[in-house]
Amino acid sequence: KAGVTQTPRYLIKTRGQQVTLSCSPISGHRSVSWYQQTPGQGLQFLFEYFSETQRNKGNFPGRFSGRQFSNSRSEMNVSTLELGDSALYLCASSLAPLTGVSYEQYFGPGTRLTVT
Amino acid sequence: AQSVAQPEDQVNVAEGNPLTVKCTYSVSGNPYLFWYVQYPNRGLQFLLKYITGDNLVKGSYGFEAEFNKSQTSFHLKKPSALVSDSALYFCAVSSMYSGGGADGLTFGKGTHLIIQP
Repeated sequence: KAGVTQTPRYLIKTRGQQVTLSCSPISGHRSVSWYQQTPGQGLQFLFEYFSETQRNKGNFPGRFSGRQFSNSRSEMNVSTLELGDSALYLCASSLAPLTGVSYEQYFGPGTRLTVT
Repeated sequence: AQSVAQPEDQVNVAEGNPLTVKCTYSVSGNPYLFWYVQYPNRGLQFLLKYITGDNLVKGSYGFEAEFNKSQTSFHLKKPSALVSDSALYFCAVSSMYSGGGADGLTFGKGTHLIIQP
């Protein structure tokens, strides 16, 4: 069974631009979560989608948004990029939503975003 | 709110020696506990989980973890370390009473495990 895939793997953008990252979950997984990983802050939850609905959102500004399609694929968008948005963005899929979760999450390799 | 503490930023172990990576947690109700490993420039890989039952959980690559309810700990262990075990290890916690989002699954800050030849 194919794992979680994320595209692109690496991205360099300029301040003020916007970016869209893509995630394809494991077949049959309907929950997709996004995380931002930085050396200083560690893993920070961005948002979670289940059955095309955003179920939860972390403490990030409105510049960060996402969506999920009927095939469970998900995209996240960051508008008006700032230098501090440079990070590894990880997508994770799971069988069930994160509420009361006992199912493990499966992570993609991440997209390394560099903002200059 | 639930939380996870990994008290050591880095653990150094000689190859062939046993290793322990520590994790303590705080959560409402019975915990669901997870260990993940991250190799450089890669996503997190699931190692093992504790939901209920035997306090000693066995996982991938020879790793195991011991759940201790009285000490609210879930330490990761391996009897004999390999150089290839060098990576960043994350402990995570949830429970059936967890909400969604960040409260649904909370990760620790991570521990760098360095195995010296």
